[in-house]
Amino acid sequence: DADVTQTPRNRITKTGKRIMLECSQTKGHDRMYWYRQDPGLGLRLIYYSFDVKDINKGEISDGYSVSRQAQAKFSLSLESAIPNQTALYFCATSDSSVGPQHFGDGTRLSIL
Amino acid sequence: SQQGEEDPQALSIQEGENATMNCSYKTSINNLQWYRQNSGRGLVHLILIRSNEREKHSGRLRVTLDTSKKSSSLLITASRAADTASYFCATAVNNDMRFGAGTRLTVKP
Repeated sequence: DADVTQTPRNRITKTGKRIMLECSQTKGHDRMYWYRQDPGLGLRLIYYSFDVKDINKGEISDGYSVSRQAQAKFSLSLESAIPNQTALYFCATSDSSVGPQHFGDGTRLSIL
Repeated sequence: SQQGEEDPQALSIQEGENATMNCSYKTSINNLQWYRQNSGRGLVHLILIRSNEREKHSGRLRVTLDTSKKSSSLLITASRAADTASYFCATAVNNDMRFGAGTRLTVKP
């Protein structure tokens, strides 16, 4: 089983819909991250959490919200999806703020 | 905004050749990391080099770091078709990790 699991793997939806992407991990890491990947732009950080009671905005948090339900679960929501949020979304975990990060296989989200 | 920038954006070589990718960054760092991404998959951590280290090896991978020039290079020796992937550098600064846009490596059999 994968250490970092993201669901769904693919999602197509319409503008204005609320979307939730889920991430769960079995690595026991306190730190969890949500990134967005667009062609030619690398990964950009949306939100990160250093423990269940700690949520921080990243570089591009506008239009997104997160919930850290437990140490192992970190979900990302798009409250009202818009087409320019079409991207590949990754969840990652780490046991250190400057250490290696462990990624899920991503959610490919298309907003029509 | 990106901290690291990889060069070249794309690289195509024959199996058995060496592949070199470069990363430049702008600010002082705690460490620099290299990741690999196969098509349709998440990033996989390859190697971490600390700011006080100059060179590190892992199998066929060799990473160098020049903090005076704010640059790093990743060398893959004796490349294989299975090395075909995108490679990203990431710079760690305090609690912040920034990824570059990546180098797309194609290794032809």
